[in-house]
Amino acid sequence: KQEVTQIPAALSVPEGENLVLNCSFTDSAIYNLQWFRQDPGKGLTSLLLIQSSQREQTSGRLNASLDKSSGRSTLYIAASQPGDSATYLCAVGRSNDYKLSFGAGTTVTVRA
Amino acid sequence: DTEVTQTPKHLVMGMTNKKSLKCEQHMGHRAMYWYKQKAKKPPELMFVYSYEKLSINESVPSRFSPECPNSSLLNLHLHALQPEDSALYLCASSQGARRLDIQYFGAGTRLSVL
Repeated sequence: KQEVTQIPAALSVPEGENLVLNCSFTDSAIYNLQWFRQDPGKGLTSLLLIQSSQREQTSGRLNASLDKSSGRSTLYIAASQPGDSATYLCAVGRSNDYKLSFGAGTTVTVRA
Repeated sequence: DTEVTQTPKHLVMGMTNKKSLKCEQHMGHRAMYWYKQKAKKPPELMFVYSYEKLSINESVPSRFSPECPNSSLLNLHLHALQPEDSALYLCASSQGARRLDIQYFGAGTRLSVL
């Protein structure tokens, strides 16, 4: 069974600092990995999707890397802003079904 | 338009009530999902519909009954729920032509069972 871990569970940084969020998974036979953002009481917004054959994906201030062999992904958010405050979840997909295995998330607070 | 619309936003029901949650998307997606999310926990998959047919049921109790009337609409019928069923219920959809395309989530229905 795929286990997905996100450390730390919570993170507080001053505005302007770069954010580094970690995700690790136990089974390297993944199909893809997604990073989501969730605001309190709201649904999930997909930020980046990395296919298993890719090493990284970039969108604006966001960059996500994937190292399948070590079972790790990292989400970098450059020059953080208070609007980046949210919970960030990573989710790993298998190739043989529609299921996503989610981590418990990292709750980020960016202080103005 | 990458919107998945869920109604209602909030729902309070008693344990003897029957209610339904509704989810709609007009992106032409052929896979639709129901998730349950408890506070400070990740979403848990409940059901997956692919091309309007139920393809995954994650051993969900029968008091939750999904329905997919057409390719744009997904319902979750609720009956005789328990207080522990109180949670945020999320609907999602994806292209469905290939498995594990990006899933687009709705804002959720916050359910409270009294």
